[in-house]
Amino acid sequence: ETGVTQTPRHLVMGMTNKKSLKCEQHLGHNAMYWYKQSAKKPLELMFVYNFKEQTENNSVPSRFSPECPNSSHLFLHLHTLQPEDSALYLCASSQDYGRGGTDTQYFGPGTRLTVL
Amino acid sequence: QKEVEQDPGPLSVPEGAIVSLNCTYSNSAFQYFMWYRQYSRKGPELLMYTYSSGNKEDGRFTAQVDKSSKYISLFIRDSQPSDSATYLCATTTTTNSGGSNYKLTFGKGTLLTVNP
Repeated sequence: ETGVTQTPRHLVMGMTNKKSLKCEQHLGHNAMYWYKQSAKKPLELMFVYNFKEQTENNSVPSRFSPECPNSSHLFLHLHTLQPEDSALYLCASSQDYGRGGTDTQYFGPGTRLTVL
Repeated sequence: QKEVEQDPGPLSVPEGAIVSLNCTYSNSAFQYFMWYRQYSRKGPELLMYTYSSGNKEDGRFTAQVDKSSKYISLFIRDSQPSDSATYLCATTTTTNSGGSNYKLTFGKGTLLTVNP
């Protein structure tokens, strides 16, 4: 596997379910990100982890819970979601965090989430 | 006022046409400007990035930034069907010390179709 991988690629869940999204980067990067991409809206940054420590929480509701056990893996735990949470959830990584435009972010293919 | 405005299109052009994609932004502190390309069912990939004002050319692609008018452009010469994708502009501030001032702000993306 190369680059940034995400599983599952598609997920349908009910509002009472608990599920997790997984992201793995094979690039040796130190920073990892979760983004939400909704139709007709800009990409929204959700969380940033740098060296396994959370450095950004962009006012995300607590029904989204991130976990970063090491620099290569990132999870997004989901519980009691709402239909408006249906979107494409993208994971990204970069060599470092906080150096502005010089930190190229590499994106995974995303998980298409549908909440019924 | 949204921080980054981008016409979502869709934009349809014949093969070989010159394509012009544009964004405007409101925050004069933005210094880095990027264009990402996102193919259907894939994550965004960095196409070009520029720092401050000026032009940058890479093959058939030219990125242009005019900070005085807060205007970002991407030109595609001799467009090909393989250029059909959504193009996202993004920008960020940065501080030398890094940290929470760094965040990519994206436009909504413009869906481009190049017809053979």
